[in-house]
Amino acid sequence: QKEVEQNSGPLSVPEGAIASLNCTYSDRVSQSFFWYRQYSGKSPELIMSIYSNGDKEDGRFTAQLNKASQYVSLLIRDSQPSDSATYLCAVNPRAGGTSYGKLTFGQGTILTVHP
Amino acid sequence: EPEVTQTPSHQVTQMGQEVILRCVPISNHLYFYWYRQILGQKVEFLVSFYNNEISEKSEIFDDQFSVERPDGSNFTLKIRSTKLEDSAMYFCASSEKGFTEAFFGQGTRLTVV
Repeated sequence: QKEVEQNSGPLSVPEGAIASLNCTYSDRVSQSFFWYRQYSGKSPELIMSIYSNGDKEDGRFTAQLNKASQYVSLLIRDSQPSDSATYLCAVNPRAGGTSYGKLTFGQGTILTVHP
Repeated sequence: EPEVTQTPSHQVTQMGQEVILRCVPISNHLYFYWYRQILGQKVEFLVSFYNNEISEKSEIFDDQFSVERPDGSNFTLKIRSTKLEDSAMYFCASSEKGFTEAFFGQGTRLTVV
């Protein structure tokens, strides 16, 4: 069973702080990793994708990938109350050429940013 | 900005009835998906569709489910005989390639009574 694990939280941070969200995955051959944000009752919204080891930055968001440790994280700098949502880690368990795009999702981490 | 659109946003149906959920993927995308999310649970993969055929499906996607691309723009999910446990949010998604970002529609909330 290929698993994606996240701390369910809730994670509570003050406005302006850094929020750190973590995810581990069990399938070592996984090649594509994604972070989605989901507001209550809404659909997953793509925030970041990462395919290579290291860091990838986009505005206030930084994704970090360590394939040796099977670990992917998302940092949110200068957190805002509007960042309060559930953050979903998603993993594509196949290599690029053989992938049909199936994503395995974690259960999500609830983030609350308080003023 | 291109987006995935789904209709209807909410559907209520009686147990045993057939439902068809509709989706218009992003126009230059080649890979299409259906996912579902039961209230309070994970987003679960149902099926992927590429080159006019199912490329992968989950254990959930049994004979009660089918997908179709009836024309160049629509992608549908049919549930033949709905059960109470089919009540969930159903999300359509599409991606340009099989390993690239998937973009989700706003979802259809299916309620089976």
